[in-house]
Amino acid sequence: DQQVKQNSPSLSVQEGRISILNCDYTNSMFDYFLWYKKYPAEGPTFLISISSIKDKNEDGRFTVFLNKSAKHLSLHIVPSQPGDSAVYFCAASEGPGNTPLVFGKGTRLSVIA
Amino acid sequence: DVKVTQSSRYLVKRTGEKVFLECVQDMDHENMFWYRQDPGLGLRLIYFSYDVKMKEKGDIPEGYSVSREKKERFSLILESASTNQTSMYLCASSFLRQSDTQYFGPGTRLTVL
Repeated sequence: DQQVKQNSPSLSVQEGRISILNCDYTNSMFDYFLWYKKYPAEGPTFLISISSIKDKNEDGRFTVFLNKSAKHLSLHIVPSQPGDSAVYFCAASEGPGNTPLVFGKGTRLSVIA
Repeated sequence: DVKVTQSSRYLVKRTGEKVFLECVQDMDHENMFWYRQDPGLGLRLIYFSYDVKMKEKGDIPEGYSVSREKKERFSLILESASTNQTSMYLCASSFLRQSDTQYFGPGTRLTVL
């Protein structure tokens, strides 16, 4: 059973506009959430994270929002750039300890110039 | 800069062959992980290790084994490769208490004929 779901396999956005990538989870024990970005022929790279004690975390053009009651998080990219075109994976863990991450299936973002 | 290297970027093997995939990290990380990435399925954890000679099964360990004789090196072994093991294999590492912030290698694309 999928504990971390990314229901949109792909998303296309115009350059300069906002990209919103969504992620839902089912395990109420998850309390740490991350986004990873992956270019073709490269390994994923860590992008941004959020702890369950927060509802928002911002890093430059990237903001992650967490709605614990809805078990939903989203990644906002503003403004979107062609270099943001990649696959984005949402991931969750039961704490920044020694439990493995659970990844979603990924969303392919295409930013069109 | 953290560096995770994988022994091969591309590998072609025949059904029934024994396959070794090697991963080395240079950051003195305690945790090491092996994932496979398949289209539409995201990243799935095969095995992980949080110390030398220690290993834990992930979500899909069947058909695989691992070896961690030294802290910096984590090997994935396919005892008898099958066509359904054709995939992208990704190695990652992290500090023990930061298992969520994982650093990934570039991946090995394995084709089993």
